[in-house]
Amino acid sequence: EDKVVQSPLSLVVHEGDTVTLNCSYEVTNFRSLLWYKQEKKAPTFLFMLTSSGFEKKSGRLSSILDKKELFSILNITATQTGDSAVYLCAVGQTSGSRLTFGEGTQLTVNP
Amino acid sequence: GAVVSQHPSWVICKSGTSVKIECRSLDFQATTMFWYRQFPKQSLMLMATSNEGSKATYEQGVEKDKFLINHASLTLSTLTVTSAHPEDSSFYICSAMGLAGEQFFGPGTRLTVL
Repeated sequence: EDKVVQSPLSLVVHEGDTVTLNCSYEVTNFRSLLWYKQEKKAPTFLFMLTSSGFEKKSGRLSSILDKKELFSILNITATQTGDSAVYLCAVGQTSGSRLTFGEGTQLTVNP
Repeated sequence: GAVVSQHPSWVICKSGTSVKIECRSLDFQATTMFWYRQFPKQSLMLMATSNEGSKATYEQGVEKDKFLINHASLTLSTLTVTSAHPEDSSFYICSAMGLAGEQFFGPGTRLTVL
């Protein structure tokens, strides 16, 4: 059965801290791994990774994929209270278009 | 770019009525759209995959006669919750698939059935 596991499930930090969120997966016919941020409404797209070893970066957020070890990390540096959200990891497969989601990491950034 | 809208954003209805939710990709064409529901503090649960011009593919356990999906054009998919009951109350979210296979989500529709 396809599986996406995120850790930790929740995390509380102070503003300015750096956080690392983890996502490991076991799926057949891996195609891509995606990160989303979900605040009060629906998820917003952050990154899509398909190749190992290449870091994707957007401002204070960055992500990297390791296809050999089957995991990805999402780094957030100099966290701000606005980073508080649930961060979802999802994996897409070559067979079909659906995504398999992890349970998410609830990040809380306190001032 | 890659904006997906949903309408309505929230709806309250009486038990037994039907509710239609629209999902539109505003600045791109999407041959494939997805419908999810999400309960509080839980992750997204895929209900069905909607392909333009063909029948939707439903996930196991999702009643296709209860949740009618129509994907009539490359920018519009609709989900109709028929004869809604209180247990159907949930947050319904659609997404549209981009060219690279990523999914862009709509803002969601909060359905409350009294």
